[in-house]
Amino acid sequence: QVHLQESGPGLVKPSETVSLTCAVSGASVTNNLHWWTWVRQAPGKGLEWIGERYHTGLSHYNPSLMGRATISVDKSKNQISLTLRSVTAADTAVYYCARVEGPTSDFDYWGQGTLVTVSS
Amino acid sequence: QSALTQPPSVSGSPGQSVTISCTGTSSDVGSDNRVSWYQQPPGTAPRLMIYEVTNRPSGVPDRFSGSKSGNTASLTISGLQAEDEADYYCSSYTSSSTYVFGTGTTVTVL
Repeated sequence: QVHLQESGPGLVKPSETVSLTCAVSGASVTNNLHWWTWVRQAPGKGLEWIGERYHTGLSHYNPSLMGRATISVDKSKNQISLTLRSVTAADTAVYYCARVEGPTSDFDYWGQGTLVTVSS
Repeated sequence: QSALTQPPSVSGSPGQSVTISCTGTSSDVGSDNRVSWYQQPPGTAPRLMIYEVTNRPSGVPDRFSGSKSGNTASLTISGLQAEDEADYYCSSYTSSSTYVFGTGTTVTVL
């Protein structure tokens, strides 16, 4: 069974950089059928797509993030990472990683999410 | 990119049917059949319920069905059950190779 597990620092100060990881088990991050994505959800709000990455390096991002996000794939650790720069209070959210079924472009497996709070 | 438009809430009695709409544009819902729906009970991660407009993943009850007409996709829950109470989100692949989610709909079972 595919399992995704996010982890992160929990609390980050404004203007800093936050890095999150997503450990993947039961699937390989280098599988040619899948992309890997991050989605966030601010408290009491809806889902917001952040971006996606393929193991070859191809990637796409939500233009609303103005280039602040970078997603990477670590083949040796079978994990996905998200780096978000210059954070503000508006970046406070639960961050989910998910697997993207390539041909159908749906998010078929999700992690349980990790809360990031931006506060001084 | 703007979020897809969903009604904030819908409700129904057990056994009834409810339909949630998801309206986008010709650059997302209208241009592609890669529309999916997700169920999110409070405090949990989203769960895939429908993919490619009409398809159900293994394990999803057949009372959940999807459709699309033009720029609007819909999710119908037939034979509503108490366990269906949750937030529901649509998602669409876009012509810019990105994804956009809907604003979300809370389903209440009366």
